Amino acid sequence: DTGVSQDPRHKITKRGQNVTFRCDPISEHNRLYWYRQTLGQGPEFLTYFQNEAQLEKSRLLSDRFSAERPKGSFSTLEIQRTEQGDSAMYLCASSFLGPKETQYFGPGTRLLVL
Amino acid sequence: GIQVEQSPPDLILQEGANSTLRCNFSDSVNNLQWFHQNPWGQLINLFYIPSGTKQNGRLSATTVATERYSLLYISSSQTTDSGVYFCAARGRDDKIIFGKGTRLHILP
Repeated sequence: DTGVSQDPRHKITKRGQNVTFRCDPISEHNRLYWYRQTLGQGPEFLTYFQNEAQLEKSRLLSDRFSAERPKGSFSTLEIQRTEQGDSAMYLCASSFLGPKETQYFGPGTRLLVL
Repeated sequence: GIQVEQSPPDLILQEGANSTLRCNFSDSVNNLQWFHQNPWGQLINLFYIPSGTKQNGRLSATTVATERYSLLYISSSQTTDSGVYFCAARGRDDKIIFGKGTRLHILP
C-alpha cells in the first residue's frame, strides 16, 4: 500500500444521474477526508471520518450528497440527482490522528456533469 | 472559522530564480501544511509545519505562529516546480481551510 487511491479517476454523467466515488486510504490511517475543488480554487472541506464515525459535515454537503465508511477502511461518496454545479474534482485524503497529523491526498476523481 | 490567505496569486519566474510564497492565517493553528498540486491535480505534501523552520532540498518553510504567517521558499527554481502551491491550516475548531493557492510558472 503506497498511498491513497481513488476510483474512478474520471466520470462523465448526465444531469439527474447518481454517481458514486470510492476512496481507499493508507491502511494504517484512521481518519479519512473528502474535499471538492473547482477550477482556480483551493480544496473545500466536505466531510471527514474517524474510523467509521462521520464526525463533521460541511454546509457544502447538501442532502444530495452522502458519504460512508462502513468498516473504517474505504469510503464512498455518492451524489444523487447530479447537477451541472457538481462538476469538480473530488479529493480524498487520509491521516493518522496524532500530534503531528499529516494529510495525504489521493489523485482525485474529476466529475463532469453534462 | 479560520481564514487563510495566500500571496501572490500568480508568480512567473525564470529558471534558476528564487521565490517566496506567503500564507497568512487569521487565528491560532493546530496544524499547517504546504502542498504542491501538479498539472494532473495530485496534491503532494511538502511540509507539515505548525511552527518553526524545515528544509527539504531546494525547498524550505518557516511558520511564525505568533504572527500568524508561514513562508515557503523555493531556491534555484526548475520547470518541474511549476504548479499551484497551497497552504492548509487546521484551526482550534478542528476545521481544515485551504488558501486559494499561488500559481507558479517557471520559464525555461
